[in-house]
Amino acid sequence: GEDVEQSLFLSVREGDSSVINCTYTDSSSTYLYWYKQEPGAGLQLLTYIFSNMDMKQDQRLTVLLNKKDKHLSLRIADTQTGDSAIYFCAERDAGNNRKLIWGLGTSLAVNP
Amino acid sequence: DVKVTQSSRYLVKRTGEKVFLECVQDMDHENMFWYRQDPGLGLRLIYFSYDVKMKEKGDIPEGYSVSREKKERFSLILESASTNQTSMYLCASRRDGIRTEAFFGQGTRLTVV
Repeated sequence: GEDVEQSLFLSVREGDSSVINCTYTDSSSTYLYWYKQEPGAGLQLLTYIFSNMDMKQDQRLTVLLNKKDKHLSLRIADTQTGDSAIYFCAERDAGNNRKLIWGLGTSLAVNP
Repeated sequence: DVKVTQSSRYLVKRTGEKVFLECVQDMDHENMFWYRQDPGLGLRLIYFSYDVKMKEKGDIPEGYSVSREKKERFSLILESASTNQTSMYLCASRRDGIRTEAFFGQGTRLTVV
């Protein structure tokens, strides 16, 4: 079945760039998503990318998509302490379009 | 502004009790979801509903049931709570469509003692 994998932890210094990586298995995925969960809160959509794109930039966020390797990354430039959160990668379930398949989430710690 | 509201932030229940977790959304979304979130296990889908009175099992439906009598409300029911159901429960809703965003509630942290 489909699977989405992420590393569980990332630690960076304030001001550095963070790169969170994700691999997925379903090559027919149309949209891939990044969600952010701040401590004690639900998830919020950060950004998404359509499968016919290689890159999407939105202020400090850059999403790169390598369809051949089924690899998605989220780069956060000039990482701030407020970026400390769990970041989830998700793809649409090919078997049931209503569902999303989630990665386990990457916990980003930003150190002053 | 889309709002997904879960009835409780924190809940403590005893083993064997029947527990109701309520979720309400105000954007007329067709789809609603219940997840549980546990450390190291990410989000796991319990049940979802794509219309009033319609439901589908997710990945871990055992020990849970759901009810969707009105479009805006999706309830998760623990028929007989057990300690292994201690978890964070997240409700989400999403409009039909390929590119639509899922909106999440704040979560309910349930402790079963």
